[in-house]
Amino acid sequence: AQSVTQPDIHITVSEGASLELRCNYSYGATPYLFWYVQSPGQGLQLLLKYFSGDTLVQGIKGFEAEFKRSQSSFNLRKPSVHWSDAAEYFCAVGAGFSGGYNKLIFGAGTRLAVHP
Amino acid sequence: EAGVAQSPRYKIIEKRQSVAFWCNPISGHATLYWYQQILGQGPKLLIQFQNNGVVDDSQLPKDRFSAERLKGVDSTLKIQPAKLEDSAVYLCASSEGQATDTQYFGPGTRLTVL
Repeated sequence: AQSVTQPDIHITVSEGASLELRCNYSYGATPYLFWYVQSPGQGLQLLLKYFSGDTLVQGIKGFEAEFKRSQSSFNLRKPSVHWSDAAEYFCAVGAGFSGGYNKLIFGAGTRLAVHP
Repeated sequence: EAGVAQSPRYKIIEKRQSVAFWCNPISGHATLYWYQQILGQGPKLLIQFQNNGVVDDSQLPKDRFSAERLKGVDSTLKIQPAKLEDSAVYLCASSEGQATDTQYFGPGTRLTVL
């Protein structure tokens, strides 16, 4: 069965420091992978997605993620964190694409805190 | 472009009561999704519509949950009767309809069952 694991429940970084959020997936075929961010009281916003091609994907707000098939990972990175990046981050794998429909399976999320 | 609208934003009910949530997707989006997000967990898909037909409702507890999407636009999700474990945020999302299309999420409805 498809699944997503985010090993870190909570991460704290200093403003200006680099960031890496881990994501591991389990999926039998070539995965479609996503990172979403959720700020308090708001819905999820897509940061970036990977379908095929270049394994290093650029997203919004200065985020990037790298797909590593050998490690079943899709880690999210940012070189310099801003206080406004404090939020919850969700990794997801797209499954059930038969018939053209996209079913997302989410990890449990990583809550990011940023110290000034 | 207006985003996905949901109402109400918050709802508090007692167990065994009924509750309904409403979602208005982005104009022109054929696919609509309802997710349940329990505190400390990621969202879980409850039901997926393509236009006004159900594509996937395998994780919808059909003994108490129901959903409809009349005329392929707005959608309502109902719980009757509610249980304590239904306390969660209910998220609605929509996409244009192709497998690779981005899903856009609404702000959610936070349900508390006492």
